Amino acid sequence: NAGVTQTPKFQVLKTGQSMTLQCAQDMNHNSMYWYRQDPGMGLRLIYYSASEGTTDKGEVPNGYNVSRLNKREFSLRLESAAPSQTSVYFCASSETGDLGYTFGSGTRLTVV
Amino acid sequence: KNEVEQSPQNLTAQEGEFITINCSYSVGISALHWLQQHPGGGIVSLFMLSSGKKKHGRLIATINIQEKHSSLHITASHPRDSAVYICAVVSRSQGNLIFGKGTKLSVKP
Repeated sequence: NAGVTQTPKFQVLKTGQSMTLQCAQDMNHNSMYWYRQDPGMGLRLIYYSASEGTTDKGEVPNGYNVSRLNKREFSLRLESAAPSQTSVYFCASSETGDLGYTFGSGTRLTVV
Repeated sequence: KNEVEQSPQNLTAQEGEFITINCSYSVGISALHWLQQHPGGGIVSLFMLSSGKKKHGRLIATINIQEKHSSLHITASHPRDSAVYICAVVSRSQGNLIFGKGTKLSVKP
């Protein structure tokens, strides 16, 4: 099925560990996004990539890095996880100029 | 002040009731989205609006650009409609989505 695929779905990390969240879309979209969702707050943009080879900071980029590996894939890396990064992470994609968005199923990350 | 405000935050309804969820925003927008999120699940796009009204099954979404307000209506509500409904706007200046905090709907049988 066409859409956005995120892995893993669940992850528990110890403080200081690193990990990469993977995201891939098969809709040939130019733009991809990483959001985090915390209780009582709306989704917040971490990083986005308007096209292959470009990335930009969003509202809450500290503690994260991203890579737009190719047009399909956009990964999010936590170099040294902190408890404040416990959250649900969503990847999304859209076609530039087409304002419709498709979201992945989310990654629930717990940092202990 | 949040740029996108939803009301109510929580809503409990009896099966069959007509439901309205409201969204007000304070920025210029290119479009507005209504999204649905089931517990433990991903986010699904229900509607994208830039003007007027859209209908899909029992769901109706309206937007008033002049008043910077949108509503999501559910007719003949059903327990399977229980979810969090999220309003998000595409900021004309930033080009990115700005999200409301969501409205948690519970429909009792």
